[in-house]
Amino acid sequence: DTGVSQNPRHKITKRGQNVTFRCDPISEHNRLYWYRQTLGQGPEFLTYFQNEAQLEKSRLLSDRFSAERPKGSFSTLEIQRTEQGDSAMYLCASSPLGFGYTFGSGTRLTVV
Amino acid sequence: AQTVTQSQPEMSVQEAETVTLSCTYDTSESDYYLFWYKQPPSRQMILVIRQEAYKQQNATENRFSVNFQKAAKSFSLKISDSQLGDAAMYFCAYRSASYFRGIFGTGTRLQVTL
Repeated sequence: DTGVSQNPRHKITKRGQNVTFRCDPISEHNRLYWYRQTLGQGPEFLTYFQNEAQLEKSRLLSDRFSAERPKGSFSTLEIQRTEQGDSAMYLCASSPLGFGYTFGSGTRLTVV
Repeated sequence: AQTVTQSQPEMSVQEAETVTLSCTYDTSESDYYLFWYKQPPSRQMILVIRQEAYKQQNATENRFSVNFQKAAKSFSLKISDSQLGDAAMYFCAYRSASYFRGIFGTGTRLQVTL
């Protein structure tokens, strides 16, 4: 297992377009998290999956954001009608029960 | 709501010396986890050390150790024998045992000089 994989690494999109990011967690980790990190800040929680169930969602996750984890494996994060304020690094992490996160390298989104 | 505060935006240490990074947090819960993560420039974040709130003994991982003061809600990270590879942003994080979201501080940038 090569760790948490995120694709793409970079995404530049025009305002108003939809984007989708993918995260492949460590296979034996049943917990998956999405965070957003802006320059000079710590990661901010977006959402959490335990297996395929989305158990917690931040109020930061407006109705333009949606995340899925079909069959409890990989996860996707979609942003509809992107805005310049969505520009950030989107981090995915996975963990076993009770332990710290293993983070992916992130997807850097730039909305122009 | 829980908060995590890192009051040192930047720290500097000479190679082979010891440095301590500060972190305070606020919570009304009694069962939680605390973490320190390291984020090197343009590289992914990695877990440095983890502490369960119910454990009185401070966690250690090789050159990294914590000073966990539950009553004071303080969780500092000590790096001994600092190496050039320790240069990075360090984030303190809190996670409740009841909820799943992690709460991160704003980070401390550590420089290691020769």
